[in-house]
Amino acid sequence: AQSVAQPEDQVNVAEGNPLTVKCTYSVSGNPYLFWYVQYPNRGLQFLLKYITGDNLVKGSYGFEAEFNKSQTSFHLKKPSALVSDSALYFCAASGAGSYQLTFGKGTKLSVIP
Amino acid sequence: ETGVTQTPRHLVMGMTNKKSLKCEQHLGHNAMYWYKQSAKKPLELMFVYNFKEQTENNSVPSRFSPECPNSSHLFLHLHTLQPEDSALYLCASSQVGSGDTGELFFGEGSRLTVL
Repeated sequence: AQSVAQPEDQVNVAEGNPLTVKCTYSVSGNPYLFWYVQYPNRGLQFLLKYITGDNLVKGSYGFEAEFNKSQTSFHLKKPSALVSDSALYFCAASGAGSYQLTFGKGTKLSVIP
Repeated sequence: ETGVTQTPRHLVMGMTNKKSLKCEQHLGHNAMYWYKQSAKKPLELMFVYNFKEQTENNSVPSRFSPECPNSSHLFLHLHTLQPEDSALYLCASSQVGSGDTGELFFGEGSRLTVL
């Protein structure tokens, strides 16, 4: 069975500092990995994905994520956090032959001015 | 038109009411989904439709009844709901097939309150 873990319920970071939101996964075969962001009372918005190729994936709003196969991780990063980045972030994964995404429980990011 | 449109955005209903949530996707996708998002709980996949055929029903109570008349429209019919059914209901679509990555595109959600 597929699973995604986001070990932190909440991450606090000062504006201008780098941020990391952690994600680990367990799927069969090569993974498809995704990050989504959700603002209050809104749907989930796609940020970036890893399918194959370079381990460092760049996405929307200056976010990037690093795929680490040996650690089965796909951490979301941004070099300099903005207050407007404060939101709920979801990691999702699917395995070979499965189109159904499994989501983590989400991490609330708070960027403090 | 945005990619995935959900109506209504907000709905308040009593436990004896019957209402429906509507979802429409303008992306030409062949799969549509209903998710439930409750406070402090992970996203719950409720139903999956692939080429208009239901392929997944994750032990959802029968008071939730999905309908997919075509590949662009998805409904969630609600009747005799319970207060614990209050949640944000999210619709999503994706393209499923060889070479596709299954990336989901979400609507803005329908916030349901059951009194």
